[in-house]
Amino acid sequence: EPEVTQTPSHQVTQMGQEVILRCVPISNHLYFYWYRQILGQKVEFLVSFYNNEISEKSEIFDDQFSVERPDGSNFTLKIRSTKLEDSAMYFCASTRSGGGLSTDTQYFGPGTRLTVL
Amino acid sequence: AQSVAQPEDQVNVAEGNPLTVKCTYSVSGNPYLFWYVQYPNRGLQFLLKYITGDNLVKGSYGFEAEFNKSQTSFHLKKPSALVSDSALYFCAVRGHNNAGNMLTFGGGTRLMVKP
Repeated sequence: EPEVTQTPSHQVTQMGQEVILRCVPISNHLYFYWYRQILGQKVEFLVSFYNNEISEKSEIFDDQFSVERPDGSNFTLKIRSTKLEDSAMYFCASTRSGGGLSTDTQYFGPGTRLTVL
Repeated sequence: AQSVAQPEDQVNVAEGNPLTVKCTYSVSGNPYLFWYVQYPNRGLQFLLKYITGDNLVKGSYGFEAEFNKSQTSFHLKKPSALVSDSALYFCAVRGHNNAGNMLTFGGGTRLMVKP
């Protein structure tokens, strides 16, 4: 069964450093998403992405964050200058279709645990 | 704005007994509703969803959920719990008009099934 994969599984970085989290969505999916889950808290939406553009973003997704589809298979989340409060589990998800009328299920990857020291 | 409430942080049930994990939601217009399960150190696994039609939705691993529009609820149920069902369960909602497909999650309910 196709699945979303994410690398690395765990990333440790120093405050102020840049990190790039990588995701390989399901191969025939066209819509991509990032969510995060701070330890012990709820899963929060960060951004959705389609056709090389951001479709929607939350208040969390400020100028320190960016997303990119650098090639036909990868989808990345970059945090330009990490802060302690960026420590969280970051989940990537994908769907075949999107938009308001889409009923597709978002399938999630296993997550990358980011620890900022 | 859309929101989800899972009023119980933890639900304890004995193996073989029925289980219910509660979820209520708020969304503009008709909702799309989802349940996901998270095992330790794992990602979110899809269990089931309500889009339209029959209010009782059946999903993976014997789980089902009942959509109740008047009570704005989507409770997760299983007739007979297994110890292996012990995990963290998340309810999520999306409005029909949400072009970005943003899912809003509840805070999660930890299900503990004891032998």
